[in-house]
Amino acid sequence: DIVMTQSPDSLAVSLGERATINCKSSQNVLYSSNNKNYLAWYQQKPGQPPKLLIYWASIRETGVPDRFSGSGSGTDFTLTISSLQAEDVAIYYCQQYYTTPPTFGQGTKVEIK
Amino acid sequence: QVQLQESGPGLVKPSETLSLTCTVSGGSISTTTYYWSWIRQPPGKGLEYIGYIYYSGSTNYNPSLKSRVTISVDTSKNQFSLKLSSVTAADTAVYYCARRGRRGSGWVFDSWGQGTLVTVSS
Repeated sequence: DIVMTQSPDSLAVSLGERATINCKSSQNVLYSSNNKNYLAWYQQKPGQPPKLLIYWASIRETGVPDRFSGSGSGTDFTLTISSLQAEDVAIYYCQQYYTTPPTFGQGTKVEIK
Repeated sequence: QVQLQESGPGLVKPSETLSLTCTVSGGSISTTTYYWSWIRQPPGKGLEYIGYIYYSGSTNYNPSLKSRVTISVDTSKNQFSLKLSSVTAADTAVYYCARRGRRGSGWVFDSWGQGTLVTVSS
């Protein structure tokens, strides 16, 4: 299985400031034939199920605010919240869908400083 | 807008079989566009993929659970189900049903149920 490792485990950011979450995969998730990274990001607010934010490492799902952006390729990826809002308090998970079984990172908890 | 809703017992005894059903509303389960999945989350921990099923009945299971898992589909009721046998306390988790939707040549979990907590305890 591909192991997904996120850092940090938690971070506290002031409202309006940038939050950056890292995700590293144990194997390459870039498919060379189409140059796509099979990497998604999810947001899980307290008491709610996860919600798909980003796929192909950088494509926002419909309706996701543009303060959320994804970047990276191969084995190293980043989710950035450009200006943290109160409603962004959540746990964020990366997930690879390059191979089965799909696997998730352990999660990064984002809080307000 | 599709909605998924899990149902089933919240308490299961060790060594018994956990059984859950996911009812899909707002869309047909008999579509070529989606797969139907189960994912679990132990309390305070991360997400673990259990498996998925296509409306035709073809399945894919996580190898770590494959020997104990059965996922089935009932298209007449627009439902799919999970059975996990020989449960232990380690199977205590919130169980989510989720839709696996296509994004180009890849598949992501694009719609989720609210989840149901299943506790394994005598």
